[in-house]
Amino acid sequence: EVQLVESGGGLVQPGGSLRLSCAASGFTFSSYWMSWVRQAPGKGLEWVANIKQDGSEKYYVDSVKGRFTISRDNAKNSLYLQMNSLRAEDTAVYYCARGGSGYYSRDAFDIWGQGTMVTVSS
Amino acid sequence: SYVLTQPPSVSVAPGQTARITCGGNNIGSKSVHWYQQKPGQAPVLVVYDDSDRPSGIPERFSGSNSGNTATLTISRVEAGDEADYYCQVWDSSSDHPGWVFGGGTKLTVL
Repeated sequence: EVQLVESGGGLVQPGGSLRLSCAASGFTFSSYWMSWVRQAPGKGLEWVANIKQDGSEKYYVDSVKGRFTISRDNAKNSLYLQMNSLRAEDTAVYYCARGGSGYYSRDAFDIWGQGTMVTVSS
Repeated sequence: SYVLTQPPSVSVAPGQTARITCGGNNIGSKSVHWYQQKPGQAPVLVVYDDSDRPSGIPERFSGSNSGNTATLTISRVEAGDEADYYCQVWDSSSDHPGWVFGGGTKLTVL
């Protein structure tokens, strides 16, 4: 079964750090673009970052540039999001999602994890 | 940065047709993807590349894209279609390429 399972969420104080993980199974992880998408409580979807199959290209939404780092370990079939200098507005459910297997990042997200909640509060 | 505009809500009676729009500057030149999200669940892809359906998605779901508007059409609406719907494009036109989501449309089945 094709599956993505996120972990690592929790409660963190403003200014703190957190590392999210996403374990992939049931498909050739190294062949796909991967993304992180978040959803604040009661709000819409917001794309956070994505990474190319070999990690050679990474893109971020402006609001997290310089604070968040996306990475992957193809040997472990895992995607990561290192989040530093967290702010209250980073509070959200964070989803990992599978993109396309092509050269460019234009393909839809066909597989999503169940999400992990991150709460930034003192 | 690129902006996608969706109506906050659309209401339709069962059996009727729902049309959810997604507006963006020259969106017809981009590939548009659509997601359905029910409360407490992860999003599900329902239409990709403007008008294609993933396996398992009913033929009642269709899409079109031209000019400045993309449209998700749901025919013969059922109670189970009640959900939030989001459009999405890849914006490569700016100095900061990235994915963009519309604000979402809540579909209410009357």
